[in-house]
Formats: sequence, structure tokens, C-alpha cells
Amino acid sequence: EAGVTQSPTHLIKTRGQQVTLRCSPISGHTSVYWYQQALGLGLQFLLWYDEGEERNRGNFPPRFSGRQFPNYSSELNVNALELEDSALYLCASSSSGLAGPMYNEQFFGPGTRLTVL
Amino acid sequence: TQLLEQSPQFLSIQEGENLTVYCNSSSVFSSLQWYRQEPGEGPVLLVTVVTGGEVKKLKRLTFQFGDARKDSSLHITAAQPGDTGLYLCAGLDNYGQNFVFGPGTRLSVLP
Repeated sequence: EAGVTQSPTHLIKTRGQQVTLRCSPISGHTSVYWYQQALGLGLQFLLWYDEGEERNRGNFPPRFSGRQFPNYSSELNVNALELEDSALYLCASSSSGLAGPMYNEQFFGPGTRLTVL
Repeated sequence: TQLLEQSPQFLSIQEGENLTVYCNSSSVFSSLQWYRQEPGEGPVLLVTVVTGGEVKKLKRLTFQFGDARKDSSLHITAAQPGDTGLYLCAGLDNYGQNFVFGPGTRLSVLP
């Protein structure tokens, strides 16, 4: 069974540009989570989608946004990129349930490494 | 925002040694998880602890949740090079709303 896939694997952008990252969850999973892992800061929760709806949002500015499609894949969009947006962006999926990541095991993808110059 | 701290930040040991890493907070968490992340990969869930004082064992790994549910520890017996990785703890706050990760302990087990 295929795991969570993310694309692209690496991305280089310049300050002010916009970027879209993509995530395909494990087949049968309806929840998708996005995290930012910056050097030395650990994983910071960004967004949680379940059944196409945004269920929770972390403490990030509105220029971080996303959506979940009917096939449960998801996109993360970041507008007006800043240097501190350079990080590994991780997507995770879990089986359905509004209980969230503590009660439904999350399976992570390998991430997209974003570098902002 | 409830924060999780982890110590030590880095740990380098020889194969066969024992070690303990810690996850601490000044706040109460309803539950905690431990993950291991290897280079180029996403984190993989090791265990979830939900009851204060709970102890769970996973082969050579022993996880403990503090009685007050503010801290947790991971003890590895007879470490092996395959244990090398970034160990992350994550917790759900007492309101069940915020899921936070600690910064991690980077473990290196040398053969």
C-alpha cells in the first residue's frame, strides 16, 4: 500500500513569490495535516483538513492557506514568501474522525524542502 | 500556547549503552506521543500515552507518562545504530484543541 506522497521534494523560491505544495494521503484516509519543520524549532502545526473542511489552524499568518479536494488530496499555499518560511513542510494523513491526531495515528510523508532566497 | 521542551538536545552514545531522553512542560497534557524521525523521512509514531503514571514498553524502548501528565520519558536499553534519529514528543493540550511538538532530541548511536 502506498504511503503519503508529497510533491515536489525540493523547491527554491525568492522572497515575495508564491508556492503551492501538494499531498496525497494514504488510500482510505480522509484527514490531512500540514506541519512546518524549521531548523531547531521542531514541527509546528499548520492546518488540519477532514472531509474537505478545515478543522483547525495553527498560529500562522493568513498567507498560509490550503484546501482539501474531494479525493482527499490537499494543497498548501504560501503567499508573499519570506526568508523564515524556509523549512521542511510535512503532510500527514489519518483515518477519518474528528478526534484528531492524538486518537487517529498520523502517517507522515517525506516532506517538501522549501528554500526561500 | 502550551510548550513542550525536550532534553538533551543532542546525544551521542556507543552501541550497547542505555539512555533516557525527556519531554517536559509546565502545562498538563491530556496525552503524549513519541515519534522517531530519520533523515529524509517524516516522523513515525512510536507510542501514545494517555494515563498519568502509565508505562509502555516497545521492545528495548520504555515510555513513561508522568503522574501529573506534565512530562514523559523515553528510555532505550542497549542502544543500537538503528536507533539513531530525531526523537520527538507531541502532546494534546487539556482542552483537546492544540497539538504541539517538542523540538526533539537528536540521538546518534555509534557502532
